[in-house]
Amino acid sequence: GNSVTQMEGPVTLSEEAFLTINCTYTATGYPSLFWYVQYPGEGLQLLLKATKADDKGSNKGFEATYRKETTSFHLEKGSVQVSDSAVYFCALSAGPQTGTALIFGKGTTLSVSS
Amino acid sequence: GAVVSQHPSRVICKSGTSVKIECRSLDFQATTMFWYRQFPKQSLMLMATSNEGSKATYEQGVEKDKFLINHASLTLSTLTVTSAHPEDSSFYICSARDGVAGTDTQYFGPGTRLTVL
Repeated sequence: GNSVTQMEGPVTLSEEAFLTINCTYTATGYPSLFWYVQYPGEGLQLLLKATKADDKGSNKGFEATYRKETTSFHLEKGSVQVSDSAVYFCALSAGPQTGTALIFGKGTTLSVSS
Repeated sequence: GAVVSQHPSRVICKSGTSVKIECRSLDFQATTMFWYRQFPKQSLMLMATSNEGSKATYEQGVEKDKFLINHASLTLSTLTVTSAHPEDSSFYICSARDGVAGTDTQYFGPGTRLTVL
């Protein structure tokens, strides 16, 4: 079946440090891949997405590249800020045709200190 | 961008009472809506998928008689927790897929914190 595996946190960084959160997936077919962010006490917000192999999603300085050969979608940011502190979820969708919901990883908590 | 609202944002109720949570897509038609449950410091667990005008599809282990889902229109889905008990206390999040645009992107509501005393 489909599944998503994320690196376990928490990840603790100093401001302006480089961030990588690993995400790998198992899926049949050609899923779409997503990163969602959840700030404390709030719902999930879409951070970025990629719908096919070699696509790069980017937003707010974050980026992730859909790597089919390694079944990965690692999240990166060159210089994190305190305001990036949140929980990050990697997710996949098998696509609208199947009508399936998102499958989430367990989430990685990022804490950035000044 | 697409906005999904949830109401209420927080609710506290007594054990044995029922609670209704509303999920609305504000600027798009949501042919499919999803209900998730999130336990503290854990990931989201899909509870059910609802399509407008039809019965919801529940995930294994989710009691459909306890968690009643109604998707009566293209912009509104409701989750009713019937005869709530303390173990039902959780963060409930809905999401909606833009059916017209045909995208598989889901837009999430801000969540509802349910506390059952």
